[in-house]
Amino acid sequence: GAGVSQSPSNKVTEKGKDVELRCDPISGHTALYWYRQRLGQGLEFLIYFQGNSAPDKSGLPSDRFSAERTGESVSTLTIQRTQQEDSAVYLCASSPGQGFSPLHFGNGTRLTVT
Amino acid sequence: AQSVAQPEDQVNVAEGNPLTVKCTYSVSGNPYLFWYVQYPNRGLQFLLKYITGDNLVKGSYGFEAEFNKSQTSFHLKKPSALVSDSALYFCAGYYGQNFVFGPGTRLSVLP
Repeated sequence: GAGVSQSPSNKVTEKGKDVELRCDPISGHTALYWYRQRLGQGLEFLIYFQGNSAPDKSGLPSDRFSAERTGESVSTLTIQRTQQEDSAVYLCASSPGQGFSPLHFGNGTRLTVT
Repeated sequence: AQSVAQPEDQVNVAEGNPLTVKCTYSVSGNPYLFWYVQYPNRGLQFLLKYITGDNLVKGSYGFEAEFNKSQTSFHLKKPSALVSDSALYFCAGYYGQNFVFGPGTRLSVLP
């Protein structure tokens, strides 16, 4: 089957605009993660969904960031009033939900705020 | 706090030589440990994992890693490096709720 799909692959937006990033996980994967990766840096955890449980939002950097997931399907990450420091690659990953199962990553969305 | 450290930002090795990329983890519970590789403009790809059992685990592309509990380390190794192994490598620990990633090590294999 298909892997994790993220869209768009690239997004250029003006400062102050809102953006929405989409992630289609692998079918049947109950866990879904969003990470941010600034140029040449490591992964910064943003948010984690597990099944129908309340999401772990502890990594969201400000209230401009939000994410939703309906059931065990598509997730959207929304950034409101974008700032230049939001420029980064946003990576989505999914897994079957057990801790010993590795994450499957999408290719990411490269966001550039001008 | 749960943490994963990769003490080297950059590792350079000549093609054909053995390579080691280092990783240490915090001892908070018994984490599952993973290695991922990231090629340019791509997401991370799973290489191998340690859950329990044999301390030496083998993974994709000829890589292996050795779990050392006394040193809280999980170093990635390969007996003979290829130029195509040049990439960014991440060590990660799963601590019961979430994955904690190290900062990454850039491996350059020189021809």
